[in-house]
Amino acid sequence: DIQMTQSPSTLSASVGDRVTITCRASQSISSWLAWYQQKPGKAPKLLIYKASTLESGVPSRFSGSGSGTEFTLTISSLQPDDFATYYCQQYKSYPYTFGQGTKLEIK
Amino acid sequence: QVQLVESGGGVVQPGRSLRLSCVASGFTFSSYAMHWVRQAPGKGLDWVAVISYDVSKKYYADSVKGRFTVSRDNSKNKLYLQMNSLRGEDTAVYYCARDPGERQWEPYYFDHWGQGILVTVSS
Repeated sequence: DIQMTQSPSTLSASVGDRVTITCRASQSISSWLAWYQQKPGKAPKLLIYKASTLESGVPSRFSGSGSGTEFTLTISSLQPDDFATYYCQQYKSYPYTFGQGTKLEIK
Repeated sequence: QVQLVESGGGVVQPGRSLRLSCVASGFTFSSYAMHWVRQAPGKGLDWVAVISYDVSKKYYADSVKGRFTVSRDNSKNKLYLQMNSLRGEDTAVYYCARDPGERQWEPYYFDHWGQGILVTVSS
């Protein structure tokens, strides 16, 4: 199975900050990576797929980059609605696997 | 708009069975592969199973293989997860999720999710 490791596990930041979350795969997954945002009690929401393609309707302050084994999700200027938990997910092969999550907290 | 609504959750004793359902609307259900993903309380996301749009392919996580069965009824726009021999570690919110590849069997992510249904395995 492909292991996905996110860092950091928790990130404290302020409105307006630029933040970056990293996701590493245990083997190359090319660009078969998605990012999701999840708020408490809610289903995950797709933000980015194919490592860097923004899902329709997602604000342009979100961006993704990377390929192979290392990927990043960047939020260019944090808004109050962005405080949530973020997950990466590989879909190169089954079983699909997720990172453990990064909780983005208000500083 | 795409809607996925799960049902069938609840409290069940270890070793017993439960069947989850997910009814889809707002899209041509029979053209899309569908997944189950779960999330234990306070934990991360865990992929469970997938079924192709035409029912020809099914894959499972090792943790549920041989105990869970995914199925679908395209005439009713419904996805199912039959869960047998349930264990405490199966306690989770179960989500159904759509694979965006229309009439394809290619690697894809999840573009739409249901609201989730809680399954609690406890004596």
